[in-house]
Amino acid sequence: GDSVTQMEGPVTLSEEAFLTINCTYTATGYPSLFWYVQYPGEGLQLLLKATKADDKGSNKGFEATYRKETTSFHLEKGSVQVSDSAVYFCALWTYNNNDMRFGAGTRLTVKP
Amino acid sequence: GAGVSQSPSNKVTEKGKDVELRCDPISGHTALYWYRQRLGQGLEFLIYFQGNSAPDKSGLPSDRFSAERTGESVSTLTIQRTQQEDSAVYLCASRITGPDTQYFGPGTRLTVL
Repeated sequence: GDSVTQMEGPVTLSEEAFLTINCTYTATGYPSLFWYVQYPGEGLQLLLKATKADDKGSNKGFEATYRKETTSFHLEKGSVQVSDSAVYFCALWTYNNNDMRFGAGTRLTVKP
Repeated sequence: GAGVSQSPSNKVTEKGKDVELRCDPISGHTALYWYRQRLGQGLEFLIYFQGNSAPDKSGLPSDRFSAERTGESVSTLTIQRTQQEDSAVYLCASRITGPDTQYFGPGTRLTVL
């Protein structure tokens, strides 16, 4: 079935480091892709999304580009801050079953 | 407007007891999901309701788990004969339909003693 696979964590970085969290997908048809974030003690919330190939979603300095050729939607940020420490979830929506599926999540810790 | 609400926010129960968790989705949202999130772990899909279609129950871990939804409103997740491994935060989420934003509730923290 349709699914996303994201890199296992945890990921620990120093402040101002470059971040990449990998996400690849398997889907029939053309999914929409999302990144959600869960800050400590808070609920999941949408970070960014892309609905078609080559689209780039961006928010709060984070970016992800929908790559159909590599079936990927990797999350990147050029310079992370301590406040970016959170769990990041990749997700996809497929038209076939109108279903949203989430990856297991990747925990990011940024140290000062 | 109001977001997704869940009750209770915390539930402590004894092993072997039944518990019922409630989710009130955002009005008009046809899609509703239940997830389990163990401490320090990721999301574990449990069940998906979409309108009047038969629910996708493929994520329910055992027959002790069941869920119902009345139309496009409230949903309840029932865990029978709770076990200690059921201890987790149970999250509910709803979505209007299609590739729209999915909104998550604050969760119910279940502790089975």
